[in-house]
Amino acid sequence: EPEVTQTPSHQVTQMGQEVILRCVPISNHLYFYWYRQILGQKVEFLVSFYNNEISEKSEIFDDQFSVERPDGSNFTLKIRSTKLEDSAMYFCASRETVNQPQHFGDGTRLSIL
Amino acid sequence: AQKITQTQPGMFVQEKEAVTLDCTYDTSDPSYGLFWYKQPSSGEMIFLIYQGSYDQQNATEGRYSLNFQKARKSANLVISASQLGDSAMYFCAMREGLGNQFYFGTGTSLTVIP
Repeated sequence: EPEVTQTPSHQVTQMGQEVILRCVPISNHLYFYWYRQILGQKVEFLVSFYNNEISEKSEIFDDQFSVERPDGSNFTLKIRSTKLEDSAMYFCASRETVNQPQHFGDGTRLSIL
Repeated sequence: AQKITQTQPGMFVQEKEAVTLDCTYDTSDPSYGLFWYKQPSSGEMIFLIYQGSYDQQNATEGRYSLNFQKARKSANLVISASQLGDSAMYFCAMREGLGNQFYFGTGTSLTVIP
């Protein structure tokens, strides 16, 4: 069964550094998402992406964050000037159409030191 | 107001018994979708079951069924014949209308006791 893949599985970064989290959505999916989950808390929506542009974003997704689909397969989340509170699990998800469920990747655990 | 409310932070169930995990939602949009995801201790999010707001019947997927009560705005997950591998966090989520954002509840931690 096709899967959403995320790399790396764990990223450790110094505070203030930039980090790029990578995702390869399922190939025929059209809608892409990033979520984060701070340890022990609920999953929070960051951004959705469709037709090569952001379709929705949450309050969390400020100027520090950006997303990109640099080619036909990758979907990246860039966090500029990371802060301690950015430490979380970041999930990428994709879905085929509006009525289909989102399929999640296994997540990238981001640790900011 | 919270879009998704899960009032049970933790639940215990005996192996082979059934368990119901509660979820209520809040939306004024007549078109919405409700989803349940399982998150084992390893951290990944696994899709379990989906219920559309216009679906006439309750969704079922193997041992998972969704008790959809539209008037009460509840979408409880029922797991039958619990197994030790069912121990995990369970999240209820909702998509409103044709929107792209999914709203997640705070989750219920289920522990299956042998």
